[in-house]
Amino acid sequence: EAGVAQSPRYKIIEKRQSVAFWCNPISGHATLYWYQQILGQGPKLLIQFQNNGVVDDSQLPKDRFSAERLKGVDSTLKIQPAKLEDSAVYLCASSPAGTSGGGEQFFGPGTRLTVL
Amino acid sequence: SQQGEEDPQALSIQEGENATMNCSYKTSINNLQWYRQNSGRGLVHLILIRSNEREKHSGRLRVTLDTSKKSSSLLITASRAADTASYFCAAYGNNRLAFGKGNQVVVIP
Repeated sequence: EAGVAQSPRYKIIEKRQSVAFWCNPISGHATLYWYQQILGQGPKLLIQFQNNGVVDDSQLPKDRFSAERLKGVDSTLKIQPAKLEDSAVYLCASSPAGTSGGGEQFFGPGTRLTVL
Repeated sequence: SQQGEEDPQALSIQEGENATMNCSYKTSINNLQWYRQNSGRGLVHLILIRSNEREKHSGRLRVTLDTSKKSSSLLITASRAADTASYFCAAYGNNRLAFGKGNQVVVIP
C-alpha cells in the first residue's frame, strides 16, 4: 500500500514570497490533516478535512495560509506571503473513514520550508 | 495549544537497556497515542491507549495511562540502536490530536 505522498520535499524562499505544498493521502482515506512542525517541537494541527469539507481550521493563520481539498482526494496548502517564522516542516497525514474519533494517523515525509 | 508534555526531553542509553518516557496532558481525552520520528521513516504511529484502558503492550513497547493524574508513560524494553529517534505523545480530545514536544532518545550500540 502506497503511503502519504508530499511534494516538494524541500523549499527555500525569500520572505514575502508565496509557496504551495501538495499532498496525496493514502487511497481511500477520507480524513486529511496538515501539521506544522517547528524545529524542536511537536507537530501542530493547521487544518483537518473530512472528504472535501473543513472539519477544523481553528489554528490556521488565515491571513496568510490557505488550504483546499477540492475533490476530496489530494490537497494543497499555500502560504502567501511567507514570514521568517513560517520556517518549519509541513506534514500531511491521513486516516481512514470512521476514525475521525481519533484513530491512528499516517504521515507523509513532510516538506521542509526555509524562509530567508 | 499543545497538550502533551514529555519528560525527560533527552535520554541516552546503552543498547539492551530499557527506556522510559513520561507524558502529561491537560484536558480530558478519548485516547493517547505515541509516535516515533526519525530521519529515515518520518513520523510513525506506535501505539494507542484508550481512556478506559490502564496498560497496553505491543512487542517491546508498554504504555500506561493514568487519567486521574492525566499522565502516560512509554517503556521500550531491550532497546536497539534502531530505536534512536524522537518520541512524541499525542493526546486525542475535543476532536483534535495534540502533540507534545518530544523526547530525543539515543541508543548507543
